[in-house]
Amino acid sequence: EPEVTQTPSHQVTQMGQEVILRCVPISNHLYFYWYRQILGQKVEFLVSFYNNEISEKSEIFDDQFSVERPDGSNFTLKIRSTKLEDSAMYFCASSGLGTDTQYFGPGTRLTVL
Amino acid sequence: QKEVEQDPGPLSVPEGAIVSLNCTYSNSAFQYFMWYRQYSRKGPELLMYTYSSGNKEDGRFTAQVDKSSKYISLFIRDSQPSDSATYLCAMSVLGGTGANSKLTFGKGITLSVRP
Repeated sequence: EPEVTQTPSHQVTQMGQEVILRCVPISNHLYFYWYRQILGQKVEFLVSFYNNEISEKSEIFDDQFSVERPDGSNFTLKIRSTKLEDSAMYFCASSGLGTDTQYFGPGTRLTVL
Repeated sequence: QKEVEQDPGPLSVPEGAIVSLNCTYSNSAFQYFMWYRQYSRKGPELLMYTYSSGNKEDGRFTAQVDKSSKYISLFIRDSQPSDSATYLCAMSVLGGTGANSKLTFGKGITLSVRP
């Protein structure tokens, strides 16, 4: 069964450093999303992406964040200058035409020291 | 008032029990309702999806939506130890694609089914 994959599973970085989180969505899906979950809190929407542009973004998704689909398979989330409060699980999700549901990857645990 | 509220947990039940998990919401624009299951340090896995008021059954799981009361429930019959996980309700204004399809989640409730 096709699935969303994410790398790395765990990323540790120093405050102020840039990180790139990578996702490979399900191959025939066209809509891509990033969510995050701070430990003990709700899963929160960050951004949705379609046709090489952002469809919607939350207030969390400020200028420090960017997304890109650099090739036909990867979808990335970049945080330019990480803060302590960026420590969270980051989930990528994808959905396709004719499907009404979003399928989630296993997540990347980001730890900012 | 928070957009989506979920009954706090944790919840512990004996094997074979009927489990009822509930969420309320305040945004009447929500039209699509989902239940996800999340195991520790894993991504949410879709369990049930519905967009109309009423009941939807899938094996031991029944999803119930009452749009007039802004209330959704997930029932698990004959619960098994393998059902032990965190259950998240999620909602969106539109279906899974396009703008306004972002999911708004409840906080989740951790269920433990004792053998």
